[in-house]
Amino acid sequence: DQQVKQNSPSLSVQEGRISILNCDYTNSMFDYFLWYKKYPAEGPTFLISISSIKDKNEDGRFTVFLNKSAKHLSLHIVPSQPGDSAVYFCAASGEYNNNDMRFGAGTRLTVKP
Amino acid sequence: GAVVSQHPSRVICKSGTSVKIECRSLDFQATTMFWYRQFPKQSLMLMATSNEGSKATYEQGVEKDKFLINHASLTLSTLTVTSAHPEDSSFYICSATGFEAFFGQGTRLTVV
Repeated sequence: DQQVKQNSPSLSVQEGRISILNCDYTNSMFDYFLWYKKYPAEGPTFLISISSIKDKNEDGRFTVFLNKSAKHLSLHIVPSQPGDSAVYFCAASGEYNNNDMRFGAGTRLTVKP
Repeated sequence: GAVVSQHPSRVICKSGTSVKIECRSLDFQATTMFWYRQFPKQSLMLMATSNEGSKATYEQGVEKDKFLINHASLTLSTLTVTSAHPEDSSFYICSATGFEAFFGQGTRLTVV
């Protein structure tokens, strides 16, 4: 049962433009969401998170938006840089199951110079 | 479908016993596997990185004698929590990396 879905396996964006990565979840009990970034041959690293009491969290070029009614979150990267090229995972957790995280399958972002 | 299988998904053990968690890549060769521990409402804490056929590299503060990692093949890595204590209760997640990377489903360990 895949509770967190990233339906786009890949995304290609021109440098300087906006990258939008999407994530959908099915379990309304999730109340904490995170994005991880992964470079080749490295483990995923934490990027940004958002609690369900918010609908937006911003950190520099990265902004995460949460739409609880649609069970949808997105990560915006503005402006995109070639160094942002990586695989991005979204994750969700909730107190209903000890806050154990559930991960999406990842989206590979390629930012072209 | 899942390409990284982590087993068991839940385990309860008595204090002082050892628990083994398996992480298998199902249809790709995982040259590197990462083991994480997740604390409630916090991001993942990297415990160790293991490459097939070599010793794992542990992060600072992680006891290598307590958390034994074996990566004997390109499709299997195991994490053994030795002499488990209640404070080891947590959610453990593996990530397998080859050309792509995927997370396991996680293991909820409860030590009583």
